[in-house]
Amino acid sequence: LAKTTQPISMDSYEGQEVNITCSHNNIATNDYITWYQQFPSQGPRFIIQGYKTKVTNEVASLFIPADRKSSTLSLPRVSLSDTAVYYCLVGDGKAGTALIFGKGTTLSVSS
Amino acid sequence: EPEVTQTPSHQVTQMGQEVILRCVPISNHLYFYWYRQILGQKVEFLVSFYNNEISEKSEIFDDQFSVERPDGSNFTLKIRSTKLEDSAMYFCASSGARLADEQFFGPGTRLTVL
Repeated sequence: LAKTTQPISMDSYEGQEVNITCSHNNIATNDYITWYQQFPSQGPRFIIQGYKTKVTNEVASLFIPADRKSSTLSLPRVSLSDTAVYYCLVGDGKAGTALIFGKGTTLSVSS
Repeated sequence: EPEVTQTPSHQVTQMGQEVILRCVPISNHLYFYWYRQILGQKVEFLVSFYNNEISEKSEIFDDQFSVERPDGSNFTLKIRSTKLEDSAMYFCASSGARLADEQFFGPGTRLTVL
């Protein structure tokens, strides 16, 4: 399993763009990069997933450089409700495979 | 939007008692999972279940734990003899069968062992 490293915490203000970078130096060829979000006392929620280049959905963008050894989750114009823990996961994505969570990045958004 | 549901939301039990945590996965999903999160710690995988059998389990999932899909909709986690250290939030999740399919998590059951 590829080990991931991400900042423990980040602070931001409402309306700013937030970029959270995750390092995964030993990512395997068939691994995907997935980000989950978790609010206090709730289960994790899928945000976005990618394999290479850029992926965008209604919530976030995911930037993956050509070497795939890192990825950046971009949250445009954050609001107070984006305060949560964000997890970067790397795995082959096969159905039934365990998700291995690290400590994640605690994002605090202030007004 | 379909969602995973879990009952009860909070369960308090005495050490040594058996508890059953219940989950209703999303109806067309084929894979089911249990995770737990001790307060202030990271989410930990316990077990995955497919086609009426365990497909993967972690070291945490010892003989005190069991899972079952007793009918077409419910998925349960049983802890036979609870310990103080079993106190945690337990999350059920489900996913489809596509490659890199996302897992949908339920709201969790907070288990408190006294």
